[in-house]
Amino acid sequence: DAGVIQSPRHEVTEMGQEVTLRCKPISGHNSLFWYRQTMMRGLELLIYFNNNVPIDDSGMPEDRFSAKMPNASFSTLKIQPSEPRDSAVYFCASSLGAGGPYNEQFFGPGTRLTVL
Amino acid sequence: GQQLNQSPQSMFIQEGEDVSMNCTSSSIFNTWLWYKQDPGEGPVLLIALYKAGELTSNGRLTAQFGITRKDSFLNISASIPSDVGIYFCAGQLRFGNEKLTFGTGTRLTIIP
Repeated sequence: DAGVIQSPRHEVTEMGQEVTLRCKPISGHNSLFWYRQTMMRGLELLIYFNNNVPIDDSGMPEDRFSAKMPNASFSTLKIQPSEPRDSAVYFCASSLGAGGPYNEQFFGPGTRLTVL
Repeated sequence: GQQLNQSPQSMFIQEGEDVSMNCTSSSIFNTWLWYKQDPGEGPVLLIALYKAGELTSNGRLTAQFGITRKDSFLNISASIPSDVGIYFCAGQLRFGNEKLTFGTGTRLTIIP
């Protein structure tokens, strides 16, 4: 079975450019998560969706970041304009949803973003 | 924001040794989780703990949910080369909210 799919795997861009990261969750999963991982701040949740609706976006750094989930099989994380401090590995994860005490989050391979 | 303090930050051990790491928080969590991350990949769930005092094993891995609900530990027995990686604890504050707070990570290296 295909796991969480992220694209691109690597992105190098210049400061000020728009960056769009893409994620396809595991089929049948109802929740989707965007995380950012850096050496300084570790692994942080940016935003998560349940049934395509944003539930918690308290981790989104600032207005330059936006995330959408137009349907159950696709989500984007956009940074506009990008800055060097946005350089990080961005992970997408999905789970079955909020029913029960905890549903495992399955992580994608990540997108390594470098902003010059 | 929420902080999970994980220790040690790194460990250098020989194959066959046992490993112990722990995680503490200033807040009470309903669920504690342990993840492992291999280079170039996303984290993978190892063990989930749901009740204070719970002790759960997964092969050579054993984890416990602290009685105060503010801490957890992970033990790995008889380490092998594939145990190399970064181990993260994570906590879920309340049921129904899937937001996880991750620890700072423990990097495990096995010396040949």
